[in-house]
Amino acid sequence: AQSVTQLGSHVSVSEGALVLLRCNYSSSVPPYLFWYVQYPNQGLQLLLKYTTGATLVKGINGFEAEFKKSETSFHLTKPSAHMSDAAEYFCAVSWGDSSYKLIFGSGTRLLVRP
Amino acid sequence: NAGVTQTPKFRILKIGQSMTLQCAQDMNHNYMYWYRQDPGMGLKLIYYSVGAGITDKGEVPNGYNVSRSTTEDFPLRLELAAPSQTSVYFCASNQGGNGELFFGEGSRLTVL
Repeated sequence: AQSVTQLGSHVSVSEGALVLLRCNYSSSVPPYLFWYVQYPNQGLQLLLKYTTGATLVKGINGFEAEFKKSETSFHLTKPSAHMSDAAEYFCAVSWGDSSYKLIFGSGTRLLVRP
Repeated sequence: NAGVTQTPKFRILKIGQSMTLQCAQDMNHNYMYWYRQDPGMGLKLIYYSVGAGITDKGEVPNGYNVSRSTTEDFPLRLELAAPSQTSVYFCASNQGGNGELFFGEGSRLTVL
């Protein structure tokens, strides 16, 4: 069965440090991959997505993610963390032209230390 | 730009009561969704709709019902509320395919 795993429910970094949030998926068919961000008391909003084409995807707020098929991974990175990046981040996967089959990971809460 | 609007934002129910969570979108999206979010569990799909008059079950539909009489509205009804339905509920919409999901701000429900 298809699934998505986010390693680490909490990640803490210093302001200015590299952000790395991990996401792995299991699938027997090519996936579509997404990262969403949720700020406190708000709904989720799309950071970036991979459907086809270039495997390095750039999103909003300086985030990017790379689809690595051989590793079944789609890790989210940002070179330099900012205090405003503190939020919960969700990796999500779907297959085919069926967004209603979107499966979310359990989320990673990012804490940014001053 | 209202986007996806959910009401109420907060509600406390007693066990066995019923209620409806309202969701409206003004983006003329065909697809609408209801998710629930529990701590450490991510989001689970309850029901979805691909257009007016068409609804289908998601991963966790038990204890819920939906209807879609118009493109704009997608209410979620809870019948005979149970403590297991304590959660944050999110409504979302998109144009279908793998388009970006647009989320409401959520409705926090507590069943005591």
